[in-house]
Amino acid sequence: DQQVKQNSPSLSVQEGRISILNCDYTNSMFDYFLWYKKYPAEGPTFLISISSIKDKNEDGRFTVFLNKSAKHLSLHIVPSQPGDSAVYFCAASGYNQGGKLIFGQGTELSVKP
Amino acid sequence: EAGVAQSPRYKIIEKRQSVAFWCNPISGHATLYWYQQILGQGPKLLIQFQNNGVVDDSQLPKDRFSAERLKGVDSTLKIQPAKLEDSAVYLCASSFVSGVNTEAFFGQGTRLTVV
Repeated sequence: DQQVKQNSPSLSVQEGRISILNCDYTNSMFDYFLWYKKYPAEGPTFLISISSIKDKNEDGRFTVFLNKSAKHLSLHIVPSQPGDSAVYFCAASGYNQGGKLIFGQGTELSVKP
Repeated sequence: EAGVAQSPRYKIIEKRQSVAFWCNPISGHATLYWYQQILGQGPKLLIQFQNNGVVDDSQLPKDRFSAERLKGVDSTLKIQPAKLEDSAVYLCASSFVSGVNTEAFFGQGTRLTVV
């Protein structure tokens, strides 16, 4: 059972435009959500997170939105840059998860100059 | 601050052979995780340590996989005997604490190919 789902395997956007990556989850006990970015041959690096008590968290060009009623979160990158091209993983955790992260399948973002 | 160190970076073995991976977490991080990432999928937790005790190993195939974290610092993950479906990237991660909402920091991973 896939508790965290990223239904778009890939996304292509033009440099300077907005990139929107989506993630859905099924477990209502999740209360902490994270986005990781992964370049080829490297480990995932933490990008941004959001607690379930918030509906938005912003860090520079990156904003994460959380819609608890829909069990949906999204990552917005504005403006997109070619260096943002990578695989983005959504992850979720909660107190009853003991701190472990449950990952989605990933979305490969390609930002074209 | 040094990151999570893993070795080796790459390993190719034949099926039924054994293999071991090593991880050194970020200094001071009490929690250590081993994840398996199969191509095209997200990382899946194999085992979680808090200091040198196991917190969660529910997804670890215990008939062939084993892991230990002696002295609550370095950790090794072993596969014996390996199967073709074990081909994956094995990621080690660490975090300062567990049970609270915090990010985990990942190493570069070990890419295992079983032929």
